[in-house]
This record gives sequence, C-alpha cells and structure tokens, in this order.
Amino acid sequence: DGGITQSPKYLFRKEGQNVTLSCEQNLNHDAMYWYRQDPGQGLRLIYYSQIVNDFQKGDIAEGYSVSREKKESFPLTVTSAQKNPTAFYLCASRGQGIYEQYFGPGTRLTVT
Amino acid sequence: QKEVEQNSGPLSVPEGAIASLNCTYSDRVSQSFFWYRQYSGKSPELIMSIYSNGDKEDGRFTAQLNKASQYVSLLIRDSQPSDSATYLCAAQDSSYKLIFGSGTRLLVRP
Repeated sequence: DGGITQSPKYLFRKEGQNVTLSCEQNLNHDAMYWYRQDPGQGLRLIYYSQIVNDFQKGDIAEGYSVSREKKESFPLTVTSAQKNPTAFYLCASRGQGIYEQYFGPGTRLTVT
Repeated sequence: QKEVEQNSGPLSVPEGAIASLNCTYSDRVSQSFFWYRQYSGKSPELIMSIYSNGDKEDGRFTAQLNKASQYVSLLIRDSQPSDSATYLCAAQDSSYKLIFGSGTRLLVRP
C-alpha cells in the first residue's frame, strides 16, 4: 500500500521540550514538504527538500529543523525556540516531473 | 509577497445545487493551480489540478482558470451533504512550492 505516513497522530509536550515529528513515504517521491496549519487558516510552508541530503527553508522556518538522510524520510523537529508550536503539522510529497503534492494524515501537536 | 485569496465563507447551498468556489492569486509566474478538499480534523485531499486557461472537468467537479484575470474557480455540480468541507486553493510557484489560500468552508444543506 503506497502512501505517506505521519506519526504520532496526536502529540503532547511541555513547553521548553524539543519534539520530533515523523514523516515517511513509500511512493518513491523525490520532494518532501512540511506545512503548519493553524485553526481557520491555510497551510504555511516550514521546510522542503527536493533531493536527499538537501533542504531549504520555507516561509516560517524559525524554531524548526529538518533532516533528509533517506529519500523516504523527512523528520521535523520542533524546538523550544518556536514561540507558538501548537498546530496541525502536515507532511507532503511530490514525484519527479509531477506538479501535484499529496499529503499525509497529519500530526496534531499540543504544547502546554 | 505572493498571495492566494479566498472568501472564507461559509458558502451554504441546498443539496443538488451548484456550488461555486473562487480564488484569486497575485503571482503572474504561477502556472499550476490546485484545489484540495479538507474535512474537519483531516488532512487536505487533492481533488483537481489545472494548468491551462479554460475548463477542466472531472465527474461532478469543474475547475476553471483565467490567467489574464488571475482567477481560479471550482464548480461542484449536484452538491451532496458529503461535499461539506473546507476547500483550499493553491498556486504553485516557479520552485514547485505551493502557496495556499485560507480556504472556503462549504455547507451543503440536505
């Protein structure tokens, strides 16, 4: 079954702790993306990666970090420097030569 | 700054009617446009993509693109209560990144 998986579905953390969100895809897609969605708003791009071992900042990268050591994996770390980390985090991927992005099920992060 | 604008709604239509969702974008470089459907608490699901001026039909959905007016629309024919969701419009920039609007909430009344 091909697709994008994100884990966990819900995540709770205390303020000041770093947390890593998982994103895995078995679609053989080259590009992967991380978005953040706040209630009643659209998606904002955090980081993206077009190929393995390379990634670029999106519009709201401050307080986040990523790695892309394997084609199928693109984990996102939310650091304690992120001022308002509570949000719905969405991972997406895109195949080479294809314009469409497809989303995983998302991780809802709550920081208190 | 590149922007995609959508009316937040809610747009309320009776079952069986045509729902018309609209979107404008600011970046003239954008060539590809997408409509995603997002149910409450779920992730966005791609329902239509359009690259050329004119109409593109897929089942009950029709996407319309007018690059001169920088305008994209989505028509949903024979609307069903299951179509009730938030519809996100997205424009793709020259780096293949997507710029999303804030979404239009659609309510289909039985």
